[in-house]
Amino acid sequence: GAVVSQHPSRVICKSGTSVKIECRSLDFQATTMFWYRQFPKQSLMLMATSNEGSKATYEQGVEKDKFLINHASLTLSTLTVTSAHPEDSSFYICSASIGHNEQFFGPGTRLTVL
Amino acid sequence: GEDVEQSLFLSVREGDSSVINCTYTDSSSTYLYWYKQEPGAGLQLLTYIFSNMDMKQDQRLTVLLNKKDKHLSLRIADTQTGDSAIYFCAVSMNRDDKIIFGKGTRLHILP
Repeated sequence: GAVVSQHPSRVICKSGTSVKIECRSLDFQATTMFWYRQFPKQSLMLMATSNEGSKATYEQGVEKDKFLINHASLTLSTLTVTSAHPEDSSFYICSASIGHNEQFFGPGTRLTVL
Repeated sequence: GEDVEQSLFLSVREGDSSVINCTYTDSSSTYLYWYKQEPGAGLQLLTYIFSNMDMKQDQRLTVLLNKKDKHLSLRIADTQTGDSAIYFCAVSMNRDDKIIFGKGTRLHILP
């Protein structure tokens, strides 16, 4: 099946710094990538949807200046958490799809902000 | 908006059947999914069902849909230790639409 990778798998950073998380589709070209956030014992919450070459569409309540998404190619999307604070600590998961088809999920990135 | 509810924890003896239940609020949900998340891993799509189906069976997995009650269940026959994971119920209007997830049910297997 289709494989989606994320890098890094785990990151610890100091408050006020920015962190970039990469999401790659390894064996297919993803026209659409999704970014989710998962708090402990909570469901995945969609943050934004991005199509290659277009600006991301953010869900209500998600600050686009705080969570910068770039989808520069059909195999790579990045999420940058700017000026991270402890409340941004969470598990970030991306998914990728080809056209109007199933989403394939990455393994997630655990962000801890000290 | 759409809300998906499922119990947070289920404990089952190895070899027994596991039944994980889920309810949703939006009757126009067309695709209903079950995902599995193992520790430290991403979500794996186990199976999905269309809203015009009542049941779908795939090896040890059986999905039942009661559209009238907006109730979805996943039955795992002959539960094994490898089935230990968090199972997410999820729904969407269309295949490429936003997916709404439940909070996940942690399945614990007793020896």
